[in-house]
Amino acid sequence: EPEVTQTPSHQVTQMGQEVILRCVPISNHLYFYWYRQILGQKVEFLVSFYNNEISEKSEIFDDQFSVERPDGSNFTLKIRSTKLEDSAMYFCASRGQVQAGELFFGEGSRLTVL
Amino acid sequence: QQQVKQSPQSLIVQKGGISIINCAYENTAFDYFPWYQQFPGKGPALLIAIRPDVSEKKEGRFTISFNKSAKQFSLHIMDSQPGDSATYFCAASTDSNYQLIWGAGTKLIIKP
Repeated sequence: EPEVTQTPSHQVTQMGQEVILRCVPISNHLYFYWYRQILGQKVEFLVSFYNNEISEKSEIFDDQFSVERPDGSNFTLKIRSTKLEDSAMYFCASRGQVQAGELFFGEGSRLTVL
Repeated sequence: QQQVKQSPQSLIVQKGGISIINCAYENTAFDYFPWYQQFPGKGPALLIAIRPDVSEKKEGRFTISFNKSAKQFSLHIMDSQPGDSATYFCAASTDSNYQLIWGAGTKLIIKP
């Protein structure tokens, strides 16, 4: 069964460092998302991406965040200067056009900022 | 207006019992209501979803009941099994952007 894959599974970084989280969405999907989940809290929408541009973003997704689809298969989330409060599980998701509404999630990348 | 309120926060059910998790929303523009199941260390996985044109949807042991006038929907797990022990999230979105608004989650434990 096709799946969304994310790397790394866990990254530890120092405050102020740049982090890039990578995702390979399901190959024929057109819509891509990043969500985050702070430990023990609800899942929060960060950004959606379609046709090589951001279609929606939340208040969380400030200037420190950026997304990119550099090569037609990877979808990356970059945090320019990490803060302690960026520590969370980051989930990538993708959606095809036919199965409207069904998001397929990756297993997540745990980011720990020290 | 954008919130989805989920209850209870945690739930313990005996094996074979019925697990019921409730969600309420305010935004009448929401028209897609999925339930996700999440096991520890894994990403959320879609369990079942409903749109407001029906009041109930059943898939195996899982049923969503939807009350449009009350702006509430619930997940019922019949004949609950220990393998159902997980965190369950309700969510809602509009058809225009599928930007899911999530409930806070319910940690379900099924006792053998």
